[in-house]
Amino acid sequence: DTEVTQTPKHLVMGMTNKKSLKCEQHMGHRAMYWYKQKAKKPPELMFVYSYEKLSINESVPSRFSPECPNSSLLNLHLHALQPEDSALYLCASSAGQGRNTIYFGEGSWLTVV
Amino acid sequence: AQSVTQLDSQVPVFEEAPVELRCNYSSSVSVYLFWYVQYPNQGLQLLLKYLSGSTLVKGINGFEAEFNKSQTSFHLRKPSVHISDTAEYFCAVTPGVHSGGGADGLTFGKGTHLIIQP
Repeated sequence: DTEVTQTPKHLVMGMTNKKSLKCEQHMGHRAMYWYKQKAKKPPELMFVYSYEKLSINESVPSRFSPECPNSSLLNLHLHALQPEDSALYLCASSAGQGRNTIYFGEGSWLTVV
Repeated sequence: AQSVTQLDSQVPVFEEAPVELRCNYSSSVSVYLFWYVQYPNQGLQLLLKYLSGSTLVKGINGFEAEFNKSQTSFHLRKPSVHISDTAEYFCAVTPGVHSGGGADGLTFGKGTHLIIQP
């Protein structure tokens, strides 16, 4: 069973909407990640937070805005998305600082209409 | 930078037969290696990992993998597969701690779709 919880599991939004994806972990991990996965493709890294600070941004468009309110929570704010942004968004966490086993949540399926 | 190659995009196997899913990696620094499984419409589940020590690692659901540094490989094996093993399998790497790795994220291979035939 995964200990990384993502909500909502499914989200349909229009191109002018503002919505958020949420992620929570209670494993005491200090690194959290957002990945994007298109159908039949491997996950692609979007953002990494380490000790609540953004440490990696893989040139993601500004219509995706991450936020890490505390060490257990990670949000992904969505605004003015395009249909091609429809995908499975995976949150993950790890203990960080060399303990690099990364655990994934079940994902949020996003459809942009 | 690291890269991962999974040569087989799809592997059909009969039920109860053995299977090997191949993974090769490239890196200029030491790495940690992982296999993840993704069942249809689900997230990624960790199958097993190699961080250090014994090169033969055992994971969940009867899977095992062997790290071969000279061949830069980390092939996944199971002696007898079941219908429930039908899934997408991803090999992934991340920089090892002694190479300055912190929270670097994973580099994934393209995945291998394991199809179990009755």
